[in-house]
Amino acid sequence: QQQVKQSPQSLIVQKGGISIINCAYENTAFDYFPWYQQFPGKGPALLIAIRPDVSEKKEGRFTISFNKSAKQFSLHIMDSQPGDSATYFCAASTRGSGNTGKLIFGQGTTLQVKP
Amino acid sequence: ETGVTQTPRHLVMGMTNKKSLKCEQHLGHNAMYWYKQSAKKPLELMFVYNFKEQTENNSVPSRFSPECPNSSHLFLHLHTLQPEDSALYLCASSQVTGTQPQHFGDGTRLSIL
Repeated sequence: QQQVKQSPQSLIVQKGGISIINCAYENTAFDYFPWYQQFPGKGPALLIAIRPDVSEKKEGRFTISFNKSAKQFSLHIMDSQPGDSATYFCAASTRGSGNTGKLIFGQGTTLQVKP
Repeated sequence: ETGVTQTPRHLVMGMTNKKSLKCEQHLGHNAMYWYKQSAKKPLELMFVYNFKEQTENNSVPSRFSPECPNSSHLFLHLHTLQPEDSALYLCASSQVTGTQPQHFGDGTRLSIL
């Protein structure tokens, strides 16, 4: 119930292509879905996040698509660049007072963008 | 200095040693977290502090002992660790618990001999 399943585990995309990473969850109480980007030797950094009241959120080349009925959400990276090569983690959480703010993370996807 | 700073960045220790990891945040946040990151596994939440009080211990073995003297500092005291404890230990902070986003430090890479 608390798991977030992420796929694929690794992804290789040509420069200029579209990278797509998918996540699925079970707990319908989740109401915050962030994506984190992690470069080697660095901690995860928030990339983009969505709440379930919208089906899509776009920030530059990065888009989250959210399907509440299917309990799935995905990250799309348009015009992928070699500098996007990193590990990407989806996560889910619930908000509200008394909540620990616990983030449940997916297993991560290692993206390599080839020049 | 801004953000979340962790020291040391790398630590090698024997199973009988005692060491401490330090985390400091300069964001004015009141919630701090310890996570364990192992290869090919999701980040695992270990401990949560809110206004210096521990609010969650995610069934972490007692060989890991957290300390939060104030809202800006968080420590993880280590003793009698096992080889399977080798991992990247990440600290994070947020405004208060239950709020997002969480801001992460760059972690301490721990190796147990």
